[in-house]
Amino acid sequence: DVKVTQSSRYLVKRTGEKVFLECVQDMDHENMFWYRQDPGLGLRLIYFSYDVKMKEKGDIPEGYSVSREKKERFSLILESASTNQTSMYLCATLLPVAKNIQYFGAGTRLSVL
Amino acid sequence: DQQVKQNSPSLSVQEGRISILNCDYTNSMFDYFLWYKKYPAEGPTFLISISSIKDKNEDGRFTVFLNKSAKHLSLHIVPSQPGDSAVYFCAATGQGAQKLVFGQGTRLTINP
Repeated sequence: DVKVTQSSRYLVKRTGEKVFLECVQDMDHENMFWYRQDPGLGLRLIYFSYDVKMKEKGDIPEGYSVSREKKERFSLILESASTNQTSMYLCATLLPVAKNIQYFGAGTRLSVL
Repeated sequence: DQQVKQNSPSLSVQEGRISILNCDYTNSMFDYFLWYKKYPAEGPTFLISISSIKDKNEDGRFTVFLNKSAKHLSLHIVPSQPGDSAVYFCAATGQGAQKLVFGQGTRLTINP
């Protein structure tokens, strides 16, 4: 079974704080993704990575950065958190043998006050 | 520019009846489509998929239909069960792309 682990289920941060969201997968998959889920907007891709130290912007990268120093770990960084970044954040990994089936972690509910 | 649209935010169905969730897309380069199911406080889980070379794919109680000319797909659940109550997302991808484009989601409620 694919296991995608997000380090925190719930986080509360203050405006202006630097926030790190961590995601770890145990299947040696090359591709990893960060999404945010908001009501009425579905899942929107923030960044993805197709290899160590490689990253590409998704549809809404503004205000975010990512880090992929090891294959199993993909971090999402909010450089200076703002209230409009309050959201559910979901990490996913791509199963390479099946066309574009992504497996998701349980999510991190981030509240920025 | 919403390339994948689920126009019904919510749907309520009686237990045992058929649930039909709809999804429309605009990008003709999409050639693979997926449905995900999401419970509160959990990540989405893959449910069923269909390639553009097919018009139907079935897996137990779940069937996905694809109408390429109309750029429309639908997910049928029959019979519906209370455990099917969740938010359902459709997603699409194009040839060679690694990214999925998701719809807004439809909240399905199955009433006993």
